Amino acid sequence: DIQLTQSPSTLSASVGDRVAISCRASQTIAAWLAWYQQKPGRAPNLLIYNASNLESGVPSRFSGSGSGTEFTLTISSLQPDDFATYYCQQYKTYWTFGQGTKVEF
Amino acid sequence: EVQLLESGGALVQPGGSLRLSCAASGFTFRLYAMSWVRQAPGKGLEWVSSISAGGDGIDYGDSVKGRFLISKDNSEITLYLQMHGLRAEDTAVYYCVKHGDGNYPNVDFQHWGPGTLVAVSS
Repeated sequence: DIQLTQSPSTLSASVGDRVAISCRASQTIAAWLAWYQQKPGRAPNLLIYNASNLESGVPSRFSGSGSGTEFTLTISSLQPDDFATYYCQQYKTYWTFGQGTKVEF
Repeated sequence: EVQLLESGGALVQPGGSLRLSCAASGFTFRLYAMSWVRQAPGKGLEWVSSISAGGDGIDYGDSVKGRFLISKDNSEITLYLQMHGLRAEDTAVYYCVKHGDGNYPNVDFQHWGPGTLVAVSS
């Protein structure tokens, strides 16, 4: 099974900060990676697919990069609405999620 | 607008059975793969099961294999998850998911329903 490890687990930041979340896969997954945002009590929302493609309607301050086993989600200037938990997901072999990164004030 | 609405969540005793439904609208259901994902209280996301657009490809996570059955009725535009042998560790919010464009299984989870709660307890 392909495991995904996110770091950090919790990230303390302020409005306007540049934020980066890392996701490492246990084996190569090419670019078969997505990023999701989840707020408390809500379903996840797709942000990035195929490692670097921005989903329609998602603000351009979100970006994704990487391939193989190392991936990064970057928020260029953190906004109040961005405080949430973020998950990476691989879909190279079945589907697996990272453990999540909580972005808090 | 894509809409997914789960139903069927309930409190059930260990060893019991339950069937979840997901009514879909706003897209051509027969053309898209679908999945179920769950989230235990205070925990992360866990993939449960997926089915290809035509239903010929079906996959299950190890924790539910042999106990859960996914099905897709393209005429009723509904996704189902039949659950048997329920355990306390199956307690979670279950989300219905529509895959994005692409070839199954290498596709992301583009749209999610609001979820339905399954609680397994005596």
